[in-house]
Amino acid sequence: GAVVSQHPSRVICKSGTSVKIECRSLDFQATTMFWYRQFPKQSLMLMATSNEGSKATYEQGVEKDKFLINHASLTLSTLTVTSAHPEDSSFYICSARVTSGGAGYNEQFFGPGTRLTVL
Amino acid sequence: AQKVTQAQTEISVVEKEDVTLDCVYETRDTTYYLFWYKQPPSGELVFLIRRNSFDEQNEISGRYSWNFQKSTSSFNFTITASQVVDSAVYFCALSGPFSGGYNKLIFGAGTRLAVHP
Repeated sequence: GAVVSQHPSRVICKSGTSVKIECRSLDFQATTMFWYRQFPKQSLMLMATSNEGSKATYEQGVEKDKFLINHASLTLSTLTVTSAHPEDSSFYICSARVTSGGAGYNEQFFGPGTRLTVL
Repeated sequence: AQKVTQAQTEISVVEKEDVTLDCVYETRDTTYYLFWYKQPPSGELVFLIRRNSFDEQNEISGRYSWNFQKSTSSFNFTITASQVVDSAVYFCALSGPFSGGYNKLIFGAGTRLAVHP
């Protein structure tokens, strides 16, 4: 099956620093990747949709200057949390959508997540 | 607006009991997809099932079964003879042709299932 990896799996950083999280589709090409955030004991909330070679589309309420997304290739998207603060501590999960020419649903595969703790 | 409601926040059962997790969804679209995911303590989402809106047949996979009823906008998930390894958070999710395509997954709040020996 399709595999999506995330790196790092855990990161602890000091307040004010920036953290980059990578999302890779290992055995398929993904023109579209998604970034979700999950606070403890809460559901997953979509933060942004990342399309290869173009600007990301952010969901309402998500600060695009704080959460920088780059999708430079068909297998890699990165999320950079800039000037992180304790309230940014969360579980960040990416997913990658299989590239297909169809108009219907295209399978999404989830990465294992990255747990960010900001001190 | 699209919405997924999982009214059960936490369920606790003893091993070998059957347990049903409820999911109610809202959408105005006639074509949509429903999902169930399992999230064990490790955090990684495990895909369980996808069902499209035109397929109301119930599905059984081992100890898992799903009951999709469009009349009540429900997509319930039953685990038969539960096991300790079933302990996890279970999410129901909805995807439809909103926001420009079948991209966005809207997740319910999740139901935390604890199976005790």
